[in-house]
Amino acid sequence: AQSVTQLDSHVSVSEGTPVLLRCNYSSSYSPSLFWYVQHPNKGLQLLLKYTSAATLVKGINGFEAEFKKSETSFHLTKPSAHMSDAAEYFCVVSAQSGGSYIPTFGRGTSLIVHP
Amino acid sequence: KAGVTQTPRYLIKTRGQQVTLSCSPISGHRSVSWYQQTPGQGLQFLFEYFSETQRNKGNFPGRFSGRQFSNSRSEMNVSTLELGDSALYLCASSPGVAGGPDTQYFGPGTRLTVL
Repeated sequence: AQSVTQLDSHVSVSEGTPVLLRCNYSSSYSPSLFWYVQHPNKGLQLLLKYTSAATLVKGINGFEAEFKKSETSFHLTKPSAHMSDAAEYFCVVSAQSGGSYIPTFGRGTSLIVHP
Repeated sequence: KAGVTQTPRYLIKTRGQQVTLSCSPISGHRSVSWYQQTPGQGLQFLFEYFSETQRNKGNFPGRFSGRQFSNSRSEMNVSTLELGDSALYLCASSPGVAGGPDTQYFGPGTRLTVL
């Protein structure tokens, strides 16, 4: 069984300040973890993924996430927020089933960026 | 390459009717997955098709079904619509042949409203 918890439903930051979106996961096996972003009226886009290589994963648009097995966390960070980062962010854990992988999505965190 | 396309983008139906949604994956992708997104339940996995075969299925009633054609295009059908089926239905494609979890490429979704 697997699950993912995004600890904040909304995060509000000012432009130019750091971003932290928190994600905890539960998985019976070594997990594969993803962060996706969804802008209004658009499909989800992959930001980054962890698949048991380096624990610090760099993604697009300056985002990165660190896999911490001892804390079962995969928090998403960015040093400096931009107005265009305002969107919904989803943390995803993926486990193998029937020859492929089934993803479980977190409930999402809405990032609000103030000018 | 063209992205994932979904048709129609918006749909209004009444209770008891049935509906068919269509998804065209990225050229060369053989796996197509469907998701339901609602404010109450978030993003939930419906099913995945690979080479015309259903490879995985989420926890949805049998009213939800799908199929995949030889060109990898996929359709999803919902019969006997209920008010609770109102949602954004997202389709995602991936190559489907990697040894680990694929990055999924999402379409913009079909917004279904059941009256």
